[in-house]
Amino acid sequence: AQRVTQPEKLLSVFKGAPVELKCNYSYSGSPELFWYVQYSRQRLQLLLRHISRESIKGFTADLNKGETSFHLKKPFAQEEDSAMYYCALHGSSNTGKLIFGQGTTLQVKP
Amino acid sequence: ETGVTQTPRHLVMGMTNKKSLKCEQHLGHNAMYWYKQSAKKPLELMFVYNFKEQTENNSVPSRFSPECPNSSHLFLHLHTLQPEDSALYLCASSPTTGGAYIEAFFGQGTRLTVV
Repeated sequence: AQRVTQPEKLLSVFKGAPVELKCNYSYSGSPELFWYVQYSRQRLQLLLRHISRESIKGFTADLNKGETSFHLKKPFAQEEDSAMYYCALHGSSNTGKLIFGQGTTLQVKP
Repeated sequence: ETGVTQTPRHLVMGMTNKKSLKCEQHLGHNAMYWYKQSAKKPLELMFVYNFKEQTENNSVPSRFSPECPNSSHLFLHLHTLQPEDSALYLCASSPTTGGAYIEAFFGQGTRLTVV
């Protein structure tokens, strides 16, 4: 079964501290993994995708197939990073079906 | 407004009512989606349309009836809903349904309350 697990509902850190939002997935094939973000009063939007191996707003995420993980990391959190973060998986069936985790609220305190 | 637009933003309906949610995109995308976001549950995919054809129905009860008259518009017709159907309904679109670079663009959602 396809499943995405984000074990933390809330992650609270101080400004300047490192951040790691955890994401584990269950999928038998080669998945495509994404992180979506929802800032307060804004719509859900794509933050980054594993295939691009990019850094967006200082965030990076590496796909670890051995551990079936796709954790989101940032070395120094900023207050504007406070938001809801969703990890999502797209299987290789090309149906457009995104499987989302339950989301983690990141709270960056001044 | 550019992007994905959903109307209405808020809807309160009785269990015997019939109402419709509307989604519109002017991004030139060919795929459109309905998602349900309930409290304490992950975002759940309901339906996928690609080039106006339904390609995915995620075991959604028949009291939810989607309609996609063209690639720019998507409707969700609601009838005889239950209180547990109260949720945020999100529409999304993407250029296509396949590929590793797929990016879904989301609307702001319709907050539905069934009384």
